[in-house]
Amino acid sequence: DAKTTQPPSMDCAEGRAANLPCNHSTISGNEYVYWYRQIHSQGPQYIIHGLKNNETNEMASLIITEDRKSSTLILPHATLRDTAVYYCIVLNFGNEKLTFGTGTRLTIIP
Amino acid sequence: DAGITQSPRHKVTETGTPVTLRCHQTENHRYMYWYRQDPGHGLRLIHYSYGVKDTDKGEVSDGYSVSRSKTEDFLLTLESATSSQTSVYFCAIQRTGDVSSTPNEQFFGPGTRLTVL
Repeated sequence: DAKTTQPPSMDCAEGRAANLPCNHSTISGNEYVYWYRQIHSQGPQYIIHGLKNNETNEMASLIITEDRKSSTLILPHATLRDTAVYYCIVLNFGNEKLTFGTGTRLTIIP
Repeated sequence: DAGITQSPRHKVTETGTPVTLRCHQTENHRYMYWYRQDPGHGLRLIHYSYGVKDTDKGEVSDGYSVSRSKTEDFLLTLESATSSQTSVYFCAIQRTGDVSSTPNEQFFGPGTRLTVL
């Protein structure tokens, strides 16, 4: 599975959109981009995934660049409860193992 | 929470003692996982199981063994605990075979905080 690079930390004002970048320049054609988040002391929680098209669900939007070498997770109206560590993971669809990096620690500022 | 429980939730033990952590699920999912999480690290996979009596190693399996004698339970054993195994341990299941499920979407238990003195 391709490696990912994320900034170690970010701040965002409450109510604003939080944009979390992820670089995955070695991604191959059959690899998906997944995002999970981990709120303090809890287990990680799935957010969203995509292959090459932009995706949106009730939690977030995922924007993948045309060359698929990077992506951005967007939380449209961040709340204090969105403070967490966000993990970007790239893996093959049939791979049943997730590999977590160190993620981005997002802090929402009141 | 996908019906996942872990026991115990907290444990303090001494170096050299055996420790068994239990993960229990109520939804009969095939895939189950054990991860550990340490400060400055993301979650690291210890072992996983793809069915009863079918298990495989993850990236940090040394010092750990697992057993899955029935679908609902996945046990993680530290045969002789060491201080380096002080960590938070998370169990997870993966929903597959359900058309409404997201492939590779794992659901995590509440975690077990283990301290080895």
